[in-house]
Amino acid sequence: DADVTQTPRNRITKTGKRIMLECSQTKGHDRMYWYRQDPGLGLRLIYYSFDVKDINKGEISDGYSVSRQAQAKFSLSLESAIPNQTALYFCATSDIRGTGVHNEQFFGPGTRLTVL
Amino acid sequence: ELKVEQNPLFLSMQEGKNYTIYCNYSTTSDRLYWYRQDPGKSLESLFVLLSNGAVKQEGRLMASLDTKARLSTLHITAAVHDLSATYFCAGRPEGQNFVFGPGTRLSVLP
Repeated sequence: DADVTQTPRNRITKTGKRIMLECSQTKGHDRMYWYRQDPGLGLRLIYYSFDVKDINKGEISDGYSVSRQAQAKFSLSLESAIPNQTALYFCATSDIRGTGVHNEQFFGPGTRLTVL
Repeated sequence: ELKVEQNPLFLSMQEGKNYTIYCNYSTTSDRLYWYRQDPGKSLESLFVLLSNGAVKQEGRLMASLDTKARLSTLHITAAVHDLSATYFCAGRPEGQNFVFGPGTRLSVLP
């Protein structure tokens, strides 16, 4: 089973609709992240959370909100979707506990969102 | 603020050839990461480079880090079609978040 899962994997919606993307992880990591990927722009950070009570904005948080329901769950919402939010969205996790940990990020499979 | 650049952004090469992808970063980053992404897929961790002079190798890929030059390289030896993918480098300054480069899209042609 995948360590980081995302639902839905694909979603087509209309302008103005509210959309929620969900992420769950079984890695036991404290840190979770939401990124969007657009062609030629790499990954840009939307929001991140270092534990259940800690939520922080990334570089492109406008138009998005998040909820950390539990250590293992981190949801991304688009309150009123617009076409330029059409992108591939990735959830990722990382951890800092222990010695010799590389702190690399582990990514979910992605959600392809199209806003018409 | 860390900025990460990669070059080239697109690379088309023939099987059997060697080539290097370059990753330059603007400020101190205590670690440097390389990821691979196949089309429509997620990102897979390839290498984590922890210190100046670090070199890691896996199959036909070798990554190195020069912190003084703020440069990491990903060297491809005797490329094969299966290496076709987009390769990202990322830095993470102490106490800050990951910053990704724009990616290098590699196509290995028969």
